[in-house]
Amino acid sequence: AQKITQTQPGMFVQEKEAVTLDCTYDTSDPSYGLFWYKQPSSGEMIFLIYQGSYDQQNATEGRYSLNFQKARKSANLVISASQLGDSAMYFCAMREGLGNQFYFGTGTSLTVIP
Amino acid sequence: DAGVTQSPTHLIKTRGQQVTLRCSPKSGHDTVSWYQQALGQGPQFIFQYYEEEERQRGNFPDRFSGHQFPNYSSELNVNALWLGDSALYLCASTPGGGSVRRNEQFFGPGTRLTVL
Repeated sequence: AQKITQTQPGMFVQEKEAVTLDCTYDTSDPSYGLFWYKQPSSGEMIFLIYQGSYDQQNATEGRYSLNFQKARKSANLVISASQLGDSAMYFCAMREGLGNQFYFGTGTSLTVIP
Repeated sequence: DAGVTQSPTHLIKTRGQQVTLRCSPKSGHDTVSWYQQALGQGPQFIFQYYEEEERQRGNFPDRFSGHQFPNYSSELNVNALWLGDSALYLCASTPGGGSVRRNEQFFGPGTRLTVL
């Protein structure tokens, strides 16, 4: 089974609107971390936000928030007030326990429309 | 504060050749991981180096090998290249031996390898 599933290959959002990028995960380890990365066309992966499995509150970092639903094993990224510079690929990733390996999804391509 | 750097930026090789990619981790980071990202896919974990040893390996053949130097920089070597090795190779570094729970990985810009 896939560790990380991103079912939206591509998404479009109007500038200044909010958008939600979906991510579901699969693990039997009670301790895990969930990450979102942004990858512009330049290729570099940029860290956006982190959610630990034991964190009581949903993570927020500026315009990024993570809608963490543990029972559903989902960790959706919400971007508020979209900007043109948000157009990029977005990857959800998971680390199990203190393991060394990050598992990535296949990504969602976000396009912000002026 | 320099981030993760990788060289070269682009590389073109032919089938059967060997290639070496290089990575310098972010200052203060001692753990380096390598990922392969095929076109249209997410990164796939190749292996991780800590204290100059391979600590964990993903599902990649022995043609993929690596090394970590005392200054924490790392090399990825790929032997007997074939067309399917064409990809963006990303290096990521983390501090503290990767033992910090939050521990986001900081990625370099990648090396784009094309095998003809």
